[in-house]
Amino acid sequence: GESVGLHLPTLSVQEGDNSIINCAYSNSASDYFIWYKQESGKGPQFIIDIRSNMDKRQGQRVTVLLNKTVKHLSLQIAATQPGDSAVYFCAENINDYKLSFGAGTTVTVRA
Amino acid sequence: ETGVTQTPRHLVMGMTNKKSLKCEQHLGHNAMYWYKQSAKKPLELMFVYNFKEQTENNSVPSRFSPECPNSSHLFLHLHTLQPEDSALYLCASSTWTGTYEQYFGPGTRLTVT
Repeated sequence: GESVGLHLPTLSVQEGDNSIINCAYSNSASDYFIWYKQESGKGPQFIIDIRSNMDKRQGQRVTVLLNKTVKHLSLQIAATQPGDSAVYFCAENINDYKLSFGAGTTVTVRA
Repeated sequence: ETGVTQTPRHLVMGMTNKKSLKCEQHLGHNAMYWYKQSAKKPLELMFVYNFKEQTENNSVPSRFSPECPNSSHLFLHLHTLQPEDSALYLCASSTWTGTYEQYFGPGTRLTVT
């Protein structure tokens, strides 16, 4: 069954505001997590990843936070732009090659 | 672009047709994957190949038949599909160990009529 899930299927955010997308996972043995972005008509694209020995990792305008105590993962997007409108997936590794994906959160940026 | 290409991008086929989806990766990876993406559902892993050998068949019906002639190419042969097979079919590739990041192609939008 699905071990990775997202709290909300949709998120509407004002342009310029920060976005927070949440994800809960159930496999406490997972040691690697990824966030993907999927724009309309495209395949998922890697945004950022984090290993379980870290609590936080920052990229360009994005930050991933990992709370292993409550098995929670979040993606923060700073100063959200229209180009950030997409579906965002979290994924966790099941084994060396297998990822388990959540259903996705659709982010809509309001001008 | 991610270095993973898929053709065709769109396919409409009848239930009695036979068609094939093609995936090619230019990243030097040795693992390739087929996923099915349906609306409002998580990505469903279908098949995994590592160094041309199939390592996973996730209880996929036999009307879907994968083929991996080499580490750079992956095919999905389709035969007597059902309307519920209509979905976006995504190909991905990765290195086998060390990193779990998978690189996805743009997908083939399949409609079964």
